[in-house]
Amino acid sequence: GDSVTQMEGPVTLSEEAFLTINCTYTATGYPSLFWYVQYPGEGLQLLLKATKADDKGSNKGFEATYRKETTSFHLEKGSVQVSDSAVYFCALSDTLTGGGNKLTFGTGTQLKVEL
Amino acid sequence: NAGVMQNPRHLVRRRGQEARLRCSPMKGHSHVYWYRQLPEEGLKFMVYLQKENIIDESGMPKERFSAEFPKEGPSILRIQQVVRGDSAAYFCASSPQTGASGDQPQHFGDGTRLSIL
Repeated sequence: GDSVTQMEGPVTLSEEAFLTINCTYTATGYPSLFWYVQYPGEGLQLLLKATKADDKGSNKGFEATYRKETTSFHLEKGSVQVSDSAVYFCALSDTLTGGGNKLTFGTGTQLKVEL
Repeated sequence: NAGVMQNPRHLVRRRGQEARLRCSPMKGHSHVYWYRQLPEEGLKFMVYLQKENIIDESGMPKERFSAEFPKEGPSILRIQQVVRGDSAAYFCASSPQTGASGDQPQHFGDGTRLSIL
């Protein structure tokens, strides 16, 4: 079945450091790929997405490129802020009968940014 | 536009009781999904519903768990005879119905934290 593997956390960085969170996937077909962010006590918020190979999703300084050849969707940001501290989830979607889609998530990577 | 609304935010039950979790999707969204997040883990898909229909329940435990999305009112996730292992955060998500649903993002509620004593 489908699966998503993320690098384990926590990842601790100083403010303005460069961020990479690795994500690889296993899937049949051609899924869409997502990064979601979860702040403490809250639900998941969509950060960015990519729907086909070589697409680059970007939002709020974060970006990730859909790499079919390496089955990867690594999240990057050039300069992190304390406010970026959260748990980041990589996910892929699988189309379901009825027109919906099921998300398969990685286990999440906690990011802590310090001054 | 109000987002996905879940209630209660926190629910405490004793073993053997029933837990009812509610979810109102975003306005205009006809697809509802339930996910479970165990401590220190990612979210796991449980069930996908449209109005009055369960479309895919491949992630639901075979016993004690049920879900509905009636014509009127919120979607309900019901857990009967709860056990300690049911303690988790339960998230609801919704999305609109479109022709190419595979890339439609799901919008999540803030979740219900269920604790079993």
